[in-house]
Order: sequence, then structure tokens, then C-alpha cells
Amino acid sequence: DIQMTQSPSTLSASVGDRVTITCRASQSIGSWLAWYQQKAGKAPNLLIYKASSLRGGVPSRFSGTGSGTEFTLTISSLQPDDSATYYCQLYNNYSWTFSQGTKVEIK
Amino acid sequence: EVQLVESGGGLVQPGGSLRLSCAASGFSFSSYTMSWVRQAPGKGLEWVSSSGGSGVTSYYADSVKGRFTISRDNSKNILYLHMNSLRAGDTAIYYCAKDLELGFEYWGQGTLATVSS
Repeated sequence: DIQMTQSPSTLSASVGDRVTITCRASQSIGSWLAWYQQKAGKAPNLLIYKASSLRGGVPSRFSGTGSGTEFTLTISSLQPDDSATYYCQLYNNYSWTFSQGTKVEIK
Repeated sequence: EVQLVESGGGLVQPGGSLRLSCAASGFSFSSYTMSWVRQAPGKGLEWVSSSGGSGVTSYYADSVKGRFTISRDNSKNILYLHMNSLRAGDTAIYYCAKDLELGFEYWGQGTLATVSS
């Protein structure tokens, strides 16, 4: 099975900061990676699919890059509404795997 | 507007069974892979199972293989998850989700399944 490692596990940043979260896969997955935002008590919300495609309606401050084994989610200017837990998710060989998540807090 | 509404959760004893349902609307249900994803209390997300649009193909996480069965009724736009031999570790909110390029585009509100004696 492919293992995923997401870092950092928590981060605290100020409004307006540029924030980057990284996911690494133990073997190449091409571009089959998605990013989600989950707020407390709510279902996850898809932000990015196929590594870099922004889902319709998602603010443009969110972006995704990467392919193969290393992927990043960037929030270009952190907003108060971005306080949440962020997960990456890979697809490989008829199996979907989520990372352990990054909790983003606003200072 | 896409809507996914789960139901069927509840309290069940270890070794028991539950059937979850997900009623879908607002899109061509039979054209999409549909999945179940769960989240144990205070924990992260775990993919459980997926069903191809026609219902012919299905895929399972190792943790549920042989105990859970995914099915769908494309005439009624309903996705099911039949859960047998339930364990305490299966306690979770179960979400159904619609596929987008092998990600999960739309999610329901979830239904809580609690396995406890």
C-alpha cells in the first residue's frame, strides 16, 4: 500500500500570511491527489482535484501543485475563515487514501 | 443542486449489522462513481468503499473487506452500505460522496453508526 505523509500536523499563522502544506506519497501517483478543508462538525469540502485543478466556487487564494510523490497546497493570503483541518487524499489502484491532516489555526 | 442525504445509522451491538442509505439528487446518479468515507470521533478521514456508476464494480478498504458490501439502486438514485460483523472500531460518522476525477466532490451530512454493548 502507498503511504502518505502530510506536514506539518499543525500550524499557526496570521491573517494575510502565505501558508503551505505538503503531502508526500511513498511511490508515484501521477496527479491523482485531492485536497479538502474540514471545519468542526461539518463534512469535508473539496478544494483541489487532480493535484492542481481548483474546484468551482473555491477562492483563488487556494492552489495546488505537484505530481509524482510530492504535492503542496498553498493558501496565498490566509483569511479568518480558513481556520480548519486540511487533508490530502490520493488515488491508486482502486484504493483511496487520506492523510492524517493539518490543523490550521489563526494567530 | 446536488444533494446527498444519508440515513440508517444508529446504535448496534458488536457483531451486529446495519444498512446505511444515501439518497442522491441533482445529478445523473448512474453516471458517477459513488463512495462511502468514514470518520471516527475526533479522528481523520478513512475511505471505506466505492461503487462504479453501473454498480458492477466495487472496491473496499482492507479494514472492511468481507464484512461490508456496497450496492446501489440506479432506478431510485440510492447508494447503500451493508455492514455486517460490526466492531467497536467501526464506530464513525459515515459520509457518502460523489466522485470528481477520483476525488470526492460532494458529500452528505453524514450518519453516525455506533457499535457498543
